Amino acid sequence: DTAVSQTPKYLVTQMGNDKSIKCEQNLGHDTMYWYKQDSKKFLKIMFSYNNKELIINETVPNRFSPKSPDKAHLNLHINSLELGDSAVYFCASSQDLLGEQYFGPGTRLTVT
Amino acid sequence: AQSVTQLGSHVSVSEGALVLLRCNYSSSVPPYLFWYVQYPNQGLQLLLKYTSAATLVKGINGFEAEFKKSETSFHLTKPSAHMSDAAEYFCAVSDQRNGNKLVFGAGTILRVKS
Repeated sequence: DTAVSQTPKYLVTQMGNDKSIKCEQNLGHDTMYWYKQDSKKFLKIMFSYNNKELIINETVPNRFSPKSPDKAHLNLHINSLELGDSAVYFCASSQDLLGEQYFGPGTRLTVT
Repeated sequence: AQSVTQLGSHVSVSEGALVLLRCNYSSSVPPYLFWYVQYPNQGLQLLLKYTSAATLVKGINGFEAEFKKSETSFHLTKPSAHMSDAAEYFCAVSDQRNGNKLVFGAGTILRVKS
Protein backbone atom coordinates (compact mmCIF):
# COMPACT_ATOMS: atom_id res chain seq x y z
CA ASP A 1 0.00 0.00 0.00
CA THR A 2 1.30 3.42 -0.96
CA ALA A 3 1.83 5.56 2.13
CA VAL A 4 1.79 8.97 0.45
CA SER A 5 0.21 9.14 -2.99
CA GLN A 6 -0.14 11.96 -5.47
CA THR A 7 -2.25 12.40 -8.58
CA PRO A 8 -1.54 12.99 -11.32
CA LYS A 9 2.04 11.82 -11.76
CA TYR A 10 2.49 13.96 -14.85
CA LEU A 11 0.65 17.14 -15.77
CA VAL A 12 1.20 19.08 -18.99
CA THR A 13 -0.78 22.26 -19.44
CA GLN A 14 -0.69 25.66 -21.08
CA MET A 15 0.07 29.02 -19.57
CA GLY A 16 -2.90 30.68 -17.98
CA ASN A 17 -4.71 27.47 -17.10
CA ASP A 18 -5.79 26.44 -13.60
CA LYS A 19 -4.83 22.99 -12.32
CA SER A 20 -4.92 20.93 -9.13
CA ILE A 21 -2.65 18.27 -7.69
CA LYS A 22 -4.02 15.89 -5.09
CA CYS A 23 -2.20 14.27 -2.20
CA GLU A 24 -3.39 11.56 0.16
CA GLN A 25 -1.62 9.80 3.03
CA ASN A 26 -2.79 6.63 4.74
CA LEU A 27 -0.30 6.78 7.61
CA GLY A 28 -2.62 8.47 10.07
CA HIS A 29 -0.30 11.48 10.22
CA ASP A 30 -1.39 14.90 11.46
CA THR A 31 0.94 17.05 9.37
CA MET A 32 1.27 17.38 5.60
CA TYR A 33 3.54 19.45 3.37
CA TRP A 34 4.08 20.60 -0.19
CA TYR A 35 7.60 21.01 -1.58
CA LYS A 36 8.73 22.26 -4.98
CA GLN A 37 11.77 20.79 -6.74
CA ASP A 38 13.02 23.02 -9.53
CA SER A 39 14.92 22.09 -12.67
CA LYS A 40 18.20 22.14 -10.74
CA LYS A 41 16.77 19.63 -8.25
CA PHE A 42 16.64 22.23 -5.48
CA LEU A 43 13.89 21.41 -2.95
CA LYS A 44 12.02 24.11 -1.11
CA ILE A 45 9.02 23.99 1.14
CA MET A 46 5.86 25.75 0.05
CA PHE A 47 3.20 24.95 2.64
CA SER A 48 2.48 22.79 5.64
CA TYR A 49 -0.74 21.92 7.42
CA ASN A 50 -1.18 20.45 10.86
CA ASN A 51 -4.61 19.02 11.71
CA LYS A 52 -6.03 20.89 8.71
CA GLU A 53 -4.59 24.19 9.94
CA LEU A 54 -2.13 26.16 7.81
CA ILE A 55 1.24 26.31 9.59
CA ILE A 56 3.73 27.37 6.91
CA ASN A 57 3.17 29.59 3.90
CA GLU A 58 6.62 30.14 2.53
CA THR A 59 6.46 33.26 0.34
CA VAL A 60 4.57 31.45 -2.35
CA PRO A 61 2.58 33.50 -4.91
CA ASN A 62 -1.07 33.64 -4.02
CA ARG A 63 -1.84 31.85 -7.29
CA PHE A 64 -1.01 28.74 -5.24
CA SER A 65 -3.71 27.73 -2.80
CA PRO A 66 -3.50 24.62 -0.65
CA LYS A 67 -6.64 23.00 0.66
CA SER A 68 -6.90 20.37 3.35
CA PRO A 69 -10.40 18.84 3.43
CA ASP A 70 -9.29 16.42 6.15
CA LYS A 71 -6.06 15.29 7.85
CA ALA A 72 -5.39 12.65 5.21
CA HIS A 73 -5.54 15.00 2.22
CA LEU A 74 -3.69 18.12 1.15
CA ASN A 75 -4.43 19.37 -2.34
CA LEU A 76 -2.63 22.10 -4.24
CA HIS A 77 -4.53 24.35 -6.61
CA ILE A 78 -2.63 26.61 -8.98
CA ASN A 79 -4.29 29.48 -10.85
CA SER A 80 -3.04 31.22 -13.97
CA LEU A 81 -0.13 28.88 -14.52
CA GLU A 82 3.18 30.41 -15.62
CA LEU A 83 6.22 28.89 -17.34
CA GLY A 84 8.17 29.23 -14.09
CA ASP A 85 5.75 26.93 -12.31
CA SER A 86 7.19 23.99 -14.22
CA ALA A 87 8.75 21.75 -11.59
CA VAL A 88 8.23 18.55 -9.65
CA TYR A 89 5.89 19.01 -6.71
CA PHE A 90 6.25 16.66 -3.75
CA CYS A 91 3.77 16.05 -1.02
CA ALA A 92 5.00 14.77 2.34
CA SER A 93 3.54 13.88 5.72
CA SER A 94 4.77 13.44 9.27
CA GLN A 95 3.24 12.10 12.47
CA ASP A 96 3.29 15.56 14.00
CA LEU A 97 5.31 18.77 13.93
CA LEU A 98 8.38 16.92 15.23
CA GLY A 99 8.37 13.73 13.18
CA GLU A 100 10.34 12.71 10.12
CA GLN A 101 8.68 13.34 6.80
CA TYR A 102 7.62 10.73 4.28
CA PHE A 103 7.42 11.83 0.68
CA GLY A 104 5.10 10.99 -2.17
CA PRO A 105 6.33 10.06 -5.65
CA GLY A 106 6.00 13.59 -6.99
CA THR A 107 3.98 15.30 -9.71
CA ARG A 108 5.91 16.60 -12.68
CA LEU A 109 4.20 19.77 -13.89
CA THR A 110 5.12 21.13 -17.30
CA VAL A 111 3.69 24.47 -18.38
CA THR A 112 3.99 25.25 -22.09
CA ALA B 1 17.99 30.74 9.79
CA GLN B 2 19.01 27.17 9.24
CA SER B 3 20.98 26.08 6.20
CA VAL B 4 22.72 23.05 4.76
CA THR B 5 25.75 22.87 2.52
CA GLN B 6 26.62 19.74 0.62
CA LEU B 7 30.19 19.74 -0.63
CA GLY B 8 30.47 18.25 -4.07
CA SER B 9 27.55 18.19 -6.45
CA HIS B 10 28.90 14.98 -8.01
CA VAL B 11 30.82 12.14 -6.39
CA SER B 12 32.13 9.15 -8.30
CA VAL B 13 33.36 5.95 -6.64
CA SER B 14 34.21 2.46 -7.80
CA GLU B 15 32.03 -0.45 -6.82
CA GLY B 16 33.23 -1.76 -3.47
CA ALA B 17 34.89 1.51 -2.48
CA LEU B 18 34.02 3.74 0.45
CA VAL B 19 31.25 6.25 -0.08
CA LEU B 20 31.58 9.62 1.66
CA LEU B 21 29.05 12.37 1.05
CA ARG B 22 29.64 15.58 2.94
CA CYS B 23 27.09 17.75 4.69
CA ASN B 24 27.59 20.78 6.91
CA TYR B 25 24.77 22.56 8.61
CA SER B 26 24.08 25.86 10.27
CA SER B 27 21.56 26.04 13.08
CA SER B 28 21.08 28.25 16.10
CA VAL B 29 19.32 25.45 17.98
CA PRO B 30 20.16 21.77 18.36
CA PRO B 31 19.38 20.42 14.92
CA TYR B 32 17.43 17.47 13.67
CA LEU B 33 19.30 16.21 10.60
CA PHE B 34 18.29 13.87 7.82
CA TRP B 35 19.64 12.17 4.73
CA TYR B 36 17.26 11.36 1.91
CA VAL B 37 17.94 9.48 -1.32
CA GLN B 38 16.22 10.14 -4.64
CA TYR B 39 16.41 7.61 -7.45
CA PRO B 40 15.71 8.87 -10.97
CA ASN B 41 12.10 9.95 -11.47
CA GLN B 42 11.14 8.90 -7.96
CA GLY B 43 10.30 10.55 -4.68
CA LEU B 44 12.58 10.97 -1.69
CA GLN B 45 13.26 8.07 0.63
CA LEU B 46 14.49 8.61 4.17
CA LEU B 47 17.90 6.99 4.70
CA LEU B 48 18.52 8.01 8.29
CA LYS B 49 17.94 10.73 10.86
CA TYR B 50 19.67 12.34 13.82
CA THR B 51 17.45 13.63 16.59
CA SER B 52 19.87 14.32 19.46
CA ALA B 53 20.31 10.74 20.62
CA ALA B 54 23.34 8.71 19.50
CA THR B 55 25.78 10.71 17.39
CA LEU B 56 26.44 7.75 15.07
CA VAL B 57 23.26 6.96 13.22
CA LYS B 58 22.68 3.83 11.19
CA GLY B 59 20.25 3.86 8.32
CA ILE B 60 18.96 1.65 5.59
CA ASN B 61 21.01 0.01 2.83
CA GLY B 62 24.18 -0.01 4.94
CA PHE B 63 24.51 3.77 5.22
CA GLU B 64 25.44 5.60 8.38
CA ALA B 65 26.17 9.17 9.39
CA GLU B 66 27.97 10.78 12.28
CA PHE B 67 26.84 14.00 13.93
CA LYS B 68 29.83 16.17 14.90
CA LYS B 69 28.74 19.29 16.70
CA SER B 70 32.24 20.78 16.80
CA GLU B 71 32.49 20.55 13.03
CA THR B 72 28.76 21.22 12.36
CA SER B 73 28.86 18.20 10.08
CA PHE B 74 26.68 15.21 9.34
CA HIS B 75 28.56 13.27 6.67
CA LEU B 76 27.05 10.15 5.11
CA THR B 77 29.19 7.04 4.65
CA LYS B 78 28.94 3.50 3.40
CA PRO B 79 31.89 1.09 3.58
CA SER B 80 31.34 -0.56 0.21
CA ALA B 81 29.44 0.99 -2.68
CA HIS B 82 27.00 -1.03 -4.76
CA MET B 83 25.84 -0.17 -8.25
CA SER B 84 22.34 0.20 -6.83
CA ASP B 85 23.54 3.11 -4.65
CA ALA B 86 23.76 5.38 -7.70
CA ALA B 87 21.26 8.14 -6.99
CA GLU B 88 21.03 11.70 -5.71
CA TYR B 89 21.43 12.25 -1.99
CA PHE B 90 20.02 15.17 -0.05
CA CYS B 91 21.01 16.33 3.41
CA ALA B 92 18.36 18.30 5.30
CA VAL B 93 17.86 20.07 8.62
CA SER B 94 14.45 20.53 10.14
CA ASP B 95 13.34 23.73 11.80
CA GLN B 96 11.37 22.51 14.79
CA ARG B 97 10.43 26.08 15.70
CA ASN B 98 8.99 26.80 12.28
CA GLY B 99 6.48 24.13 11.48
CA ASN B 100 9.02 21.34 11.09
CA LYS B 101 9.96 22.51 7.63
CA LEU B 102 12.90 20.77 6.03
CA VAL B 103 15.70 22.91 4.66
CA PHE B 104 17.57 20.91 2.03
CA GLY B 105 21.07 21.03 0.66
CA ALA B 106 21.58 21.22 -3.08
CA GLY B 107 22.07 17.47 -3.39
CA THR B 108 24.98 15.22 -4.36
CA ILE B 109 24.77 12.86 -7.29
CA LEU B 110 26.56 9.61 -6.54
CA ARG B 111 27.93 7.66 -9.48
CA VAL B 112 29.18 4.12 -8.95
CA LYS B 113 31.62 2.74 -11.51
CA SER B 114 31.95 -0.96 -12.21
